[in-house]
Amino acid sequence: DAGVIQSPRHEVTEMGQEVTLRCKPISGHNSLFWYRQTMMRGLELLIYFNNNVPIDDSGMPEDRFSAKMPNASFSTLKIQPSEPRDSAVYFCASTRDTNYNEQFFGPGTRLTVL
Amino acid sequence: DAKTTQPTSMDCAEGRAANLPCNHSTISGNEYVYWYRQIHSQGPQYIIHGLKNNETNEMASLIITEDRKSSTLILPHATLRDTAVYYCIVSGTGTASKLTFGTGTRLQVTL
Repeated sequence: DAGVIQSPRHEVTEMGQEVTLRCKPISGHNSLFWYRQTMMRGLELLIYFNNNVPIDDSGMPEDRFSAKMPNASFSTLKIQPSEPRDSAVYFCASTRDTNYNEQFFGPGTRLTVL
Repeated sequence: DAKTTQPTSMDCAEGRAANLPCNHSTISGNEYVYWYRQIHSQGPQYIIHGLKNNETNEMASLIITEDRKSSTLILPHATLRDTAVYYCIVSGTGTASKLTFGTGTRLQVTL
């Protein structure tokens, strides 16, 4: 079975540019999570969806960040405009409701904002 | 969610059992103990979880004390590939719950 798929794996952009990160959850999973990991702050939950509906976005740092889940097999995390402090590894994870916190993580997207 | 306390780092010789402790003295009755690990440059990986009974799977065993205030993750025969950061997390299981990752224990398995 394919795991969680994230793209791109690496992204280098300049400050002020729009960045879109993509995630395809495992087929049959109905919950999806976006995390950010930095050396300073560790692994932080940004937002999560259940059945394509955002449940908790309290971890989204500010209005420059937005996330969507238009269908069960695709989600995006957008940063507009990007800033150097957004540089981090962004992980997507998915799970089924029956084992809600047995989450399967993708390989991550390493974002560098210059 | 209850807070957990883990040692910052541990060493283990290859082939020996690795016992990783975790304190969660404020755990509530409906909260589970989850263990994840993160190998360098990879996404976190689920290992095991439990409520109050000891649990075992193909990766590890989880021993939870009777008062549920602490637990130990056991890797029975550690290999070099088990070198990773191990996170102990306390959380519920419903859709309103979520995982809060702390700083974890960095386990170094050596020859």
